[in-house]
Amino acid sequence: AQTVTQSQPEMSVQEAETVTLSCTYDTSENNYYLFWYKQPPSRQMILVIRQEAYKQQNATENRFSVNFQKAAKSFSLKISDSQLGDTAMYFCAFPTESVNFGNEKLTFGTGTRLTIIP
Amino acid sequence: NAGVMQNPRHLVRRRGQEARLRCSPMKGHSHVYWYRQLPEEGLKFMVYLQKENIIDESGMPKERFSAEFPKEGPSILRIQQVVRGDSAAYFCASSRGYQETQYFGPGTRLLVL
Repeated sequence: AQTVTQSQPEMSVQEAETVTLSCTYDTSENNYYLFWYKQPPSRQMILVIRQEAYKQQNATENRFSVNFQKAAKSFSLKISDSQLGDTAMYFCAFPTESVNFGNEKLTFGTGTRLTIIP
Repeated sequence: NAGVMQNPRHLVRRRGQEARLRCSPMKGHSHVYWYRQLPEEGLKFMVYLQKENIIDESGMPKERFSAEFPKEGPSILRIQQVVRGDSAAYFCASSRGYQETQYFGPGTRLLVL
């Protein structure tokens, strides 16, 4: 079974600092992709970044970047120059293996609650 | 380009009533997914649909829950005879196709009294 683990329930950093959120996963697939989503106090689920497993280059979106270690099955999110608006729950997500239906449904980690301190 | 639309945003029902949640996918998206988020938990998959077809309902409770995505109109998640344990946030997501990114709607917060 495919699993997603986020080992940091809560984190807090000072504004403008850099923070890294960790995520590990387990899969027997070779070709897959991973996501980070954020859920601010509004409770909306917002896509942060997507990483393709076949790409050696780590994905980057402005201040957000990932450190993807395929062999270690690790997918961490780095937020640079953190801002107050980054305060949110962050979820790592991974398409769940489904023999009959294809890898469509997402399995989410338990989340990391990130607080940016002014 | 409008995002995924969900309505209502908040829904209050008494035990035993029916709850009907609607989701309109993004333009050009033909795949719809429903997820449930209980308080202080991550999202859990419920059902995956394409137009007029239920593709994967492995996450749906066996009783009282049903979903549809008709040829015309929004996808609907229907909960019959609601109980207090159904209180949760229900999120809809849509994508253009296989292995495409899922984009989420704002969710419907269901409260069962």
